[in-house]
Parts: sequence; C-alpha cells; structure tokens
Amino acid sequence: NAGVTQTPKFRILKIGQSMTLQCTQDMNHNYMYWYRQDPGMGLKLIYYSVGAGITDKGEVPNGYNVSRSTTEDFPLRLELAAPSQTSVYFCASSSGASEAFFGQGTRLTVV
Amino acid sequence: AQTVTQSQPEMSVQEAETVTLSCTYDTSESDYYLFWYKQPPSRQMILVIRQEAYKQQNATENRFSVNFQKAAKSFSLKISDSQLGDAAMYFCAYRRGRLGNEKLTFGTGTRLTIIP
Repeated sequence: NAGVTQTPKFRILKIGQSMTLQCTQDMNHNYMYWYRQDPGMGLKLIYYSVGAGITDKGEVPNGYNVSRSTTEDFPLRLELAAPSQTSVYFCASSSGASEAFFGQGTRLTVV
Repeated sequence: AQTVTQSQPEMSVQEAETVTLSCTYDTSESDYYLFWYKQPPSRQMILVIRQEAYKQQNATENRFSVNFQKAAKSFSLKISDSQLGDAAMYFCAYRRGRLGNEKLTFGTGTRLTIIP
C-alpha cells in the first residue's frame, strides 16, 4: 500500500540549477497538492491540481511550475534554483471529501 | 483569509499523563474541516484526528480527542495516557468547505516532548 510516493528524499542543488520533484499516488485521488515547509513554520501551498490537465497556483508559486498529465503523477519543477527555495517539500493527495495524505517529503538545499 | 494559530511552540508531558495542545482559527465560513496532523522526526505527516464543523460532537480516536468550540473558533487536542511514541510536532490545520480544491491552512506547530 504505497499511498503517496515522493522522490528524491534529499537533494542539494547549486544556485541556478533546475530539477523536478516527482510525486505519484496510487489511491486514484483527483486532488493533488505541493506544499513547502520552512523551519519552524507550517506548510504553505505552492500549487494544486483538481484533476488531470488542471492546475492552479497556491500561496507561494513563484519559482515553481507543475503539470498533471495523469491522475497518478504531479511533478514539481524548480527553475533557476535560489537559496530561498531551501525547504522541505511535501506532495499530498485527497479524494476531496477526506483528509489529505502526504508523501514523506523531500529535503532540498540550494547552495 | 483564514488563519490558524498555535500559541504553544513547545509542550512537554510526563509519560502516561494527559496533555492538551491549543489551536485557534479565524474564518467567516460556516462549513469547514479541522485537522490535527502529527509529524515525527521521520517527517511523515500523519493524520491524528479530524472534525467536521457541522458536527457538534467532538471527535475521538483512541487516546486522542478534541475540544471543538465553534463559537470561540477553538480546536484543542487532548492526548491521554501519553506515550513515548507521541513525541512529535503537531500541526493544526483548517480547510474551508468539503471540496478538495480548498487548500489546507496550517498553524506553525507545537513540538511535544514526552518525559519518561
């Protein structure tokens, strides 16, 4: 029972590099989300999707892009990484009427 | 905009004792969900308990229960018979409405330490 799977678990990027954080869920959930968690803070929404082909911005979308070509996958793209993007990133999914299920997070450091 | 406030950055409790974590929220909505999530050192976000605003009865899950005061916009979590495995960050979260396109708004968390 995999649930929500994120890869990688850890990554160090140099300033200006790009990368994609992968997220896949096997619960057939329509709703998927990307959050970031900065030290001592709660989670803030970056982007979300209500179904394949549909995405929308959250609270802190600048510097990120997403796509949702399938129900299962919701990758997050970082273009031109900056130190301010150092954070822990969580992917989550929901059926809509229930709680969100989270992946194990990706710790990203931009140096 | 909805806000969630957790005024206790850290709490500690003796093993087997009871502890209450506080959470208040601000909203003008009448239909919403409230959640408590646990985040142990593994980073995994684990749902502890949820409460639908339209339900007057307080939710309970084994040793975990809530005190939901809708008029006061308060949603505290009580952990009974605290165990070492309860040590974690606890986040209170709010979601407007019943649809998944409504985002979760999180508080800043309370770090709970269990004293053996």
